Amino acid sequence: GDSVTQMEGPVTLSEEAFLTINCTYTATGYPSLFWYVQYPGEGLQLLLKATKADDKGSNKGFEATYRKETTSFHLEKGSVQVSDSAVYFCALRNTGFQKLVFGTGTRLLVSP
Amino acid sequence: NAGVTQTPKFQVLKTGQSMTLQCAQDMNHEYMSWYRQDPGMGLRLIHYSVGAGITDQGEVPNGYNVSRSTTEDFPLRLLSAAPSQTSVYFCASSYGQQETQYFGPGTRLLVL
Repeated sequence: GDSVTQMEGPVTLSEEAFLTINCTYTATGYPSLFWYVQYPGEGLQLLLKATKADDKGSNKGFEATYRKETTSFHLEKGSVQVSDSAVYFCALRNTGFQKLVFGTGTRLLVSP
Repeated sequence: NAGVTQTPKFQVLKTGQSMTLQCAQDMNHEYMSWYRQDPGMGLRLIHYSVGAGITDQGEVPNGYNVSRSTTEDFPLRLLSAAPSQTSVYFCASSYGQQETQYFGPGTRLLVL
């Protein structure tokens, strides 16, 4: 079945450091890919998405590019802030299916 | 516009007790779903609904019941709580099956 694998955390960075959180997927067909963010004590919020190969999703300085050849959707940000501390979930939704398939989440801790 | 709301925020149950987790949305979304979030496992789909009167099972439906009598509400019932149901529960909704899902703040459930 479809699955998403993301790097284990926590990822600990200093403010203004470069961030990469790796995400790879296994799916039949042509899934849409998502990054969700969960701030402490809150529900998940959509951060960005990409619906086809080579699409780049971006929001709030975060970017991720849909790479079909490597089945990856890595999340990047050039300069993280303390306020970016959260848990980040990579997810996919396959064509014709309602269900989101989530990775296990990666906790990001940014210190001043 | 309150978005997706969930009650209660936190609940402690004893094994064998029953309870209902409430979920409501005021965005006129047709699609609603329930997920559980467990450490190291990401989010897993419990049940979903594509409209009033229509529900279906997700990947972990055992021990849970749902109904959808109105577009706005999608309660999740635990008939006889078990310690294995200790988790954080999230409700989500979207306009359609392929649209962006909006998540509620979650209900933390502890079953003793």
